[in-house]
Amino acid sequence: AQSVTQPDIHITVSEGASLELRCNYSYGATPYLFWYVQSPGQGLQLLLKYFSGDTLVQGIKGFEAEFKRSQSSFNLRKPSVHWSDAAEYFCAVGGGTGKLIFGQGTTLQVKP
Amino acid sequence: DTAVSQTPKYLVTQMGNDKSIKCEQNLGHDTMYWYKQDSKKFLKIMFSYNNKELIINETVPNRFSPKSPDKAHLNLHINSLELGDSAVYFCASSQEEGAAGANVLTFGAGSRLTVL
Repeated sequence: AQSVTQPDIHITVSEGASLELRCNYSYGATPYLFWYVQSPGQGLQLLLKYFSGDTLVQGIKGFEAEFKRSQSSFNLRKPSVHWSDAAEYFCAVGGGTGKLIFGQGTTLQVKP
Repeated sequence: DTAVSQTPKYLVTQMGNDKSIKCEQNLGHDTMYWYKQDSKKFLKIMFSYNNKELIINETVPNRFSPKSPDKAHLNLHINSLELGDSAVYFCASSQEEGAAGANVLTFGAGSRLTVL
């Protein structure tokens, strides 16, 4: 079955601290992987994507993610979190058709 | 200039009513989608259209009827609304990127539907 698991429902980090959000997927074919961010009352904004090639991908707002095929993971990282990063983060996998399977999301809270 | 715009942003209505949500994209994309986000923030695809043609139709009740008058517009009409239809509905459009031509979605801000 195709699925995405984000094990952490809620994460709190201090401003300036590093961040890692976990994502594991189950997908039968070559996965296309995405991270989206949703701020309160807003739509989803694409942070980064992985199709092929270099397994470490850079995105907007200083985020990066690493694809590890052996672990079926695509974890999102940021070296230093800003208060404005507080939001809901969604990992998603798709086969390229636009039909995305989303994880349940991780709520990030940033302490001053 | 909003890339994917949806109206209305909020919609409160009674059970049994019929309502529509409109979506327009100015990105020149060929493919548009409707996704539903439930109260637990779980997102799931409902439909996709490519150049006015229905491509994806997930097991959605036939009370939901998408309509695409042209490739820049995809509207969602819902008949006989039920309490369980309360959700945030997101429109999206996509273009193909990369050597494999994978679709990358751009989402609208969402339309929050509350059924009383």
